[in-house]
Amino acid sequence: SQQGEEDPQALSIQEGENATMNCSYKTSINNLQWYRQNSGRGLVHLILIRSNEREKHSGRLRVTLDTSKKSSSLLITASRAADTASYFCATVSFTGFQKLVFGTGTRLLVSP
Amino acid sequence: EAQVTQNPRYLITVTGKKLTVTCSQNMNHEYMSWYRQDPGLGLRQIYYSMNVEVTDKGDVPEGYKVSRKEKRNFPLILESPSPNQTSLYFCASSQGTGIGIAEAFFGQGTRLTVV
Repeated sequence: SQQGEEDPQALSIQEGENATMNCSYKTSINNLQWYRQNSGRGLVHLILIRSNEREKHSGRLRVTLDTSKKSSSLLITASRAADTASYFCATVSFTGFQKLVFGTGTRLLVSP
Repeated sequence: EAQVTQNPRYLITVTGKKLTVTCSQNMNHEYMSWYRQDPGLGLRQIYYSMNVEVTDKGDVPEGYKVSRKEKRNFPLILESPSPNQTSLYFCASSQGTGIGIAEAFFGQGTRLTVV
């Protein structure tokens, strides 16, 4: 299936540092979305970037998209302990827009 | 308040006993979907629906059924649950647009254990 792969699988940083997570996918996409999940809870949408966009910002979040490399990155600046969560990228296929396909996620731990 | 509601939140059942997990959304979304989440495997799509009476298989549909008789409801049915269906299940809904699915709203999850 068209599943994204996040890298790294786990990331541990100190408060105030930046956190960067990467996502690679396999086929052409319509858009790419990032979600956050606190332990065992429902996912919350963070940001959506369309295939014709290269960069997008939302507060402390910065997302880039490189369709030639089929990859995206999520940067969280000045991280806080409350950012501790799992982060998932999800792709919407260009040809099959019914499917929102998720990667395996990055577990982020931000220590005070 | 815009929300996706799943019930039950927790369920322990025995092998072979039919069960239904309900999902309801109040945002008039066309698109609804079911996922299961297992450690190390991320979220895998079970079934999705583009609108009333329009459903299709996701990546792991075996052992599951769905129906979409009303726009707001999308129940997940396990006719004969087995232990390998023990998992955390999520329902999601989204506004389907002509350029692809917009942000998805998720329910709080149903933790199912089949013994």
